[in-house]
Amino acid sequence: NAGVTQTPKFQVLKTGQSMTLQCAQDMNHEYMSWYRQDPGMGLRLIHYSVGAGITDQGEVPNGYNVSRSTTEDFPLRLLSAAPSQTSVYFCASSYQLGRDPYGYTFGSGTRLTVV
Amino acid sequence: AQSVTQLGSHVSVSEGALVLLRCNYSSSVPPYLFWYVQYPNQGLQLLLKYTSAATLVKGINGFEAEFKKSETSFHLTKPSAHMSDAAEYFCAVSPGSQGNLIFGKGTKLSVKP
Repeated sequence: NAGVTQTPKFQVLKTGQSMTLQCAQDMNHEYMSWYRQDPGMGLRLIHYSVGAGITDQGEVPNGYNVSRSTTEDFPLRLLSAAPSQTSVYFCASSYQLGRDPYGYTFGSGTRLTVV
Repeated sequence: AQSVTQLGSHVSVSEGALVLLRCNYSSSVPPYLFWYVQYPNQGLQLLLKYTSAATLVKGINGFEAEFKKSETSFHLTKPSAHMSDAAEYFCAVSPGSQGNLIFGKGTKLSVKP
């Protein structure tokens, strides 16, 4: 089925470990983004990309790294995990940045716990 | 700068009662507006959207929302709540030609039998 695929669905890390959250879409969307969701905070933008080779920071980028080598994939790297990064992470994509009448398509999320 | 305010982090209704979830926005340009629903342990799903066509927008599962420019509001309603409507609902505004979708903090809807 067409959509946004995130892996893994669950992950437990120890403080200081690194890992990569995977995100792939098969809708040929130019725009992709990563959000984190914390109780009472809504969705906060971490990083986003308007096309292959182009990335930019969002509201809460510290401690995270991204790259966009293909249109389909947009991995999120945690460089040195901290307990404050315990959260649910969502990847989203759409046809364009800004005033996209189709809105975003979201993945099902990755629940990350850092101990 | 654009922003979204959802009034009430928790709303509780009885099954069969009216659902009203409030959303106010600020936008320097004519907005696109969205409501998303998130069921427990799932991602966000588009419920409905306003993109400058009809001001009354109908979405999935019997929900609708009305765009009121004078009140800068885009409240979500459903005439009769069902137990399956229990979820968290997010209002979002699309900015101008450059800029990411801006989300409200969400409203968790509980439905009592």
